[in-house]
Amino acid sequence: ETGVTQSPTHLIKTRGQQVTLRCSSQSGHNTVSWYQQALGQGPQFIFQYYREEENGRGNFPPRFSGLQFPNYSSELNVNALELDDSALYLCASSLDGFYSYNEQFFGPGTRLTVL
Amino acid sequence: AQSVTQLDSHVSVSEGTPVLLRCNYSSSYSPSLFWYVQHPNKGLQLLLKYTSAATLVKGINGFEAEFKKSETSFHLTKPSAHMSDAAEYFCVVSESGGGSQGNLIFGKGTKLSVKP
Repeated sequence: ETGVTQSPTHLIKTRGQQVTLRCSSQSGHNTVSWYQQALGQGPQFIFQYYREEENGRGNFPPRFSGLQFPNYSSELNVNALELDDSALYLCASSLDGFYSYNEQFFGPGTRLTVL
Repeated sequence: AQSVTQLDSHVSVSEGTPVLLRCNYSSSYSPSLFWYVQHPNKGLQLLLKYTSAATLVKGINGFEAEFKKSETSFHLTKPSAHMSDAAEYFCVVSESGGGSQGNLIFGKGTKLSVKP
């Protein structure tokens, strides 16, 4: 069974640029959630995708957008990057993730640095 | 609205002594509660979860937590710390219903240091 994978591992961008982060979910999972973890903080929920539809969104501006593909892999896109977007971005997959009791399995994250 | 407060940002114990990491939660609906651990440069790993079954929950690596509704607490304990337990620990709440979609709400984390 393959776990959750994310690419790239690290990324450096400059203010105003756009970035795309990728996530492959664990086999059998149909839900992907994205989280932002700033340095020294707990992860914050960005949004969740269930069967290719956005299924919930946290307090993030519209320049944070996403996609989920038929194989349930996912992308996180961030436009007009700001310095405060520098963080570890975590992807988590689950089965029917809208049920609070279902475990979410996390990938190792993508470290984004915005200069 | 749901929230989580981890009462200590840093806990230091000696190897072989008990561990107590404290967590209080706030939730309008029946919550699910979790503890996750994050080792440096590694992904988050689930230690244990409470989902309205037994109030005393046993997890991996000898950790356990007790759900106390009257105190809105979900403290994490381990009888004897090991050097490999040194990591960041997150208390997490999630709820279904009321517009929530099962997203996880994390506390700010407690860094556990273990001295030889």
